[in-house]
Amino acid sequence: DAKTTQPTSMDCAEGRAANLPCNHSTISGNEYVYWYRQIHSQGPQYIIHGLKNNETNEMASLIITEDRKSSTLILPHATLRDTAVYYCIVRVDYGNQFYFGTGTSLTVIP
Amino acid sequence: DAGITQSPRHKVTETGTPVTLRCHQTENHRYMYWYRQDPGHGLRLIHYSYGVKDTDKGEVSDGYSVSRSKTEDFLLTLESATSSQTSVYFCAISRDRGAADTQYFGPGTRLTVL
Repeated sequence: DAKTTQPTSMDCAEGRAANLPCNHSTISGNEYVYWYRQIHSQGPQYIIHGLKNNETNEMASLIITEDRKSSTLILPHATLRDTAVYYCIVRVDYGNQFYFGTGTSLTVIP
Repeated sequence: DAGITQSPRHKVTETGTPVTLRCHQTENHRYMYWYRQDPGHGLRLIHYSYGVKDTDKGEVSDGYSVSRSKTEDFLLTLESATSSQTSVYFCAISRDRGAADTQYFGPGTRLTVL
């Protein structure tokens, strides 16, 4: 699986958009970008995934650059409950596991 | 949220005792996985199953065995627990193993081996 690089930590004001970047410069053509988050001691929660097009669901938007070497997860209106560690994962086709790195610790500030 | 439950949610046991953790799903997904999460190591795959009675090893399988007698249940057994197996254990499920197949995780079991 391609390696990802994320900032260690970020802050975001409540009600503002949280933009979480991820670099995956070695991504291959058949690898998807996934985002999960983990709120303290809970199981990882799936947020969104995409291959090359931008994606949006009820939780977030995923913006993938045209060269696919980086992506940004956008939480449009961050709330205190969005405080969590966010993981960007590149998923190879027919791999067994998701490789969770160290992620970005997002703190939403009142 | 995907219908995944894990039991027990917390367990304290002593070194040398057997321990079985259960993962139950209501989604009828083919694939089930056991991970452990430790500080500094992220999530590491222990074993996974690709169908009833079909299982295979993951990255850190030593000291663990698994069984899947029904689609909905995946059991993780520590035959003789050791302190190094103190961890948080997560079960995950997925419909298939392709790159577009999302893994959904359970709430976790916190195991302490004294």
